[in-house]
Amino acid sequence: AQTVTQSQPEMSVQEAETVTLSCTYDTSESDYYLFWYKQPPSRQMILVIRQEAYKQQNATENRFSVNFQKAAKSFSLKISDSQLGDAAMYFCAYRSAVDSSYKLIFGSGTRLLVRP
Amino acid sequence: DTGVSQNPRHKITKRGQNVTFRCDPISEHNRLYWYRQTLGQGPEFLTYFQNEAQLEKSRLLSDRFSAERPKGSFSTLEIQRTEQGDSAMYLCASSSGLGKLFFGSGTQLSVL
Repeated sequence: AQTVTQSQPEMSVQEAETVTLSCTYDTSESDYYLFWYKQPPSRQMILVIRQEAYKQQNATENRFSVNFQKAAKSFSLKISDSQLGDAAMYFCAYRSAVDSSYKLIFGSGTRLLVRP
Repeated sequence: DTGVSQNPRHKITKRGQNVTFRCDPISEHNRLYWYRQTLGQGPEFLTYFQNEAQLEKSRLLSDRFSAERPKGSFSTLEIQRTEQGDSAMYLCASSSGLGKLFFGSGTQLSVL
């Protein structure tokens, strides 16, 4: 079974600085998808960024980028120029490319605090 | 696109009571998912529907839990004889099948 591990329960960053959130996963599959979701106090999970395992190029979305290391099964999220609105829980998630359910397997999350 | 809607937002109940939650997915989304999220944890998959068919259930879904999606539109999740361990946030998500999940804001259940 696949597992996702986020070893940082909480991270803190100064506004306008850069922070990196870590995620590792375990799978025997070669094709899969990885995601970072943001959950603000409103509780609604919002997709931040997505990475296909077959792509070597790291995904980027504006201030958000990932460092995908397939061999190491590592998928970290870098947030540049941090803003107060980035404060939230961040969840790393895995989705099998074989499982037709498209269900997501989530890590336990990292709470990001942004200091003004 | 009005998003995924979940009701109620909060539910407080006494142990042993039955509760029902409702999820209205984004219209035309044929896939609907239920997740459970406990404090300090990430969401855990419970079950999913493709149209009206319930295609997969997690072992987390005990016999006290039942989910339906009549006519492939809204879905309900019922918990019978609630226990304190059922206290959690119940999240619903929908998808058009292209893979991107859209989540609702959840129903927070507290069992006293």
